Amino acid sequence: QTVVTQEPSFSVSPGGTVTLTCGLSSGSVSTTYYPSWYQQTPGQAPRTLIYSTNIRSSGVPDRFSGSILGNKAALTITGAQADDESDYYCVLYVGGGIYVFGTGTKVTVL
Amino acid sequence: QLQLQESGPGLVKPSETLSLTCTVSGGSISTSVRYWSWIRQPPGKGLEWIGNIYYTGTAYYKSSLKSRVTISLDTSKNHFSLKMSSVTAADTAVYYCARVNLYSWDIWGQGTMVTVSS
Repeated sequence: QTVVTQEPSFSVSPGGTVTLTCGLSSGSVSTTYYPSWYQQTPGQAPRTLIYSTNIRSSGVPDRFSGSILGNKAALTITGAQADDESDYYCVLYVGGGIYVFGTGTKVTVL
Repeated sequence: QLQLQESGPGLVKPSETLSLTCTVSGGSISTSVRYWSWIRQPPGKGLEWIGNIYYTGTAYYKSSLKSRVTISLDTSKNHFSLKMSSVTAADTAVYYCARVNLYSWDIWGQGTMVTVSS
């Protein structure tokens, strides 16, 4: 079974930069996994931030960027703001019509 | 603008079948060359992909749920549905429907809470 791993938590100062990663239990993440990233605040539906590795969804500020770093997908928040404090999930398409969510990262801005 | 809305019972008894519907408004489910998804989130836990259905009716499921889950499409009612059999407390979650676009989800429903309890 494919496991997609994320850091459990990160803390970032206002105005700071943080990079979240999304890895595979076995193997490397590449663009062929079409990594996407979602932001979720408590009680709300997820909001799509990034799809197909590095394409920002409509209305998403350019302080959010996606990439492949080494063997993982990455989401970078540059110039973090207070309202970026959320849970962040990555998703990988593993083929055969199957998607796998990452374990999620809780980002605190303080 | 396309919108999705989940509906169904908020309480299901253990061992029974959970049934939810996602109604699509602002567009036709049959003319959209898209996949449609069900995703869930147990209280305090992460998101879990359940499965997708293509506008043609072809469906894909998470392997660990495949034996209990059926996703179907009703183009006449412009909605798609989730049925999950033999539910247990572990199936208690907020259930979301969403539209797939370019291997991601671009439109989400607001989610509906389903509790499995006697």
